[in-house]
Amino acid sequence: QQQVKQSPQSLIVQKGGISIINCAYENTAFDYFPWYQQFPGKGPALLIAIRPDVSEKKEGRFTISFNKSAKQFSLHIMDSQPGDSATYFCAASFSYDMRFGAGTRLTVKP
Amino acid sequence: NAGVTQTPKFRVLKTGQSMTLLCAQDMNHEYMYWYRQDPGMGLRLIHYSVGEGTTAKGEVPDGYNVSRLKKQNFLLGLESAAPSQTSVYFCASSPTGGSYGYTFGSGTRLTVV
Repeated sequence: QQQVKQSPQSLIVQKGGISIINCAYENTAFDYFPWYQQFPGKGPALLIAIRPDVSEKKEGRFTISFNKSAKQFSLHIMDSQPGDSATYFCAASFSYDMRFGAGTRLTVKP
Repeated sequence: NAGVTQTPKFRVLKTGQSMTLLCAQDMNHEYMYWYRQDPGMGLRLIHYSVGEGTTAKGEVPDGYNVSRLKKQNFLLGLESAAPSQTSVYFCASSPTGGSYGYTFGSGTRLTVV
């Protein structure tokens, strides 16, 4: 069973809009929640990450919101740009065990 | 500043053939991982290593073997390839356990016919 559920599968946003991707996890032992960005033909690259002792982390246009009680977290991309078009993966980990969501293909239209 | 290097980048195998995928990292990371990526399923952990000379099974280990004879290298072997092993394989490394970001290689696209 998938321990990290991600939605939506695909997302189309206009340039300048807000992109929102949601994830939910099951295992309360997870203590690290990263987001990865992947361009076609490339490996995933760490974008931003959060630990469960904070509810929000912002880095530039990217923000993670974390709700520990609901076991949910989300990625917000403000002022989305065509260059943000990629596949985004959420993940949750504890020690060696990192579980990934199924991915969201984001398309930002100019 | 190579990071994680995977070879080969592409490979086509016939059913029953064997091959080895090589992963090399130059960041002195202790932990290394092999994942497979399939459409709609994200990345799934095949095997991992917490240090030189150690290996352990991940979520989907069947049909694969690994070795880590040197700290910087992590090899993934397919002894008898099956069409179900058609996938994109990614190697990753991290300084210690998974509670830190991983550095991924650029992947190996394997097709088994």
